[in-house]
Amino acid sequence: GESVGLHLPTLSVQEGDNSIINCAYSNSASDYFIWYKQESGKGPQFIIDIRSNMDKRQGQRVTVLLNKTVKHLSLQIAATQPGDSAVYFCAENRGSGNTGKLIFGQGTTLQVKP
Amino acid sequence: NAGVMQNPRHLVRRRGQEARLRCSPMKGHSHVYWYRQLPEEGLKFMVYLQKENIIDESGMPKERFSAEFPKEGPSILRIQQVVRGDSAAYFCASSGTDSGNTIYFGEGSWLTVV
Repeated sequence: GESVGLHLPTLSVQEGDNSIINCAYSNSASDYFIWYKQESGKGPQFIIDIRSNMDKRQGQRVTVLLNKTVKHLSLQIAATQPGDSAVYFCAENRGSGNTGKLIFGQGTTLQVKP
Repeated sequence: NAGVMQNPRHLVRRRGQEARLRCSPMKGHSHVYWYRQLPEEGLKFMVYLQKENIIDESGMPKERFSAEFPKEGPSILRIQQVVRGDSAAYFCASSGTDSGNTIYFGEGSWLTVV
């Protein structure tokens, strides 16, 4: 079926700690995955992406891990800051070429305690 | 470098009226996507358009909803005879032919039906 889900609806972390947000997907044919950050009243903001031929990709303070065996995706945020507080969505792209038909998960709310 | 521009940001309509939401893609982008987000939920794909062509409308409700992306001007998402259940945030996204699958979102249009 079509589903991309997140394991926890809310994650609360202390400022400075590392955060790990998890995501499970169901379609083994998906070949491209994206993490978005959405602040209240705003649009999704691209964080990082990964293709299915990779299992890890790093950005600035963020790392995405992809485990195709168990169809699991995670976003790691190092040294979490108050500005990281938002809802985080994983999304998968099952299209070929340039189609942007993304399947979004329900989102995990990250709360950063000062 | 302007991002994806959407207007209006907020729109209030009475039941039975029409709502028109506009989207100008990022400069150089020729692919436009519309998504809907209900409160406390993830985004749901509605339609994918290129100039003067609807490529994939598999997420569009069968009635009252239509979308276009004319040769000149912004993409328009049109909702006729709105009902309370249409109240949601509508996001437009765009991508370019040379940007792989990276999809950038606008800030959204919040429709409230009263």
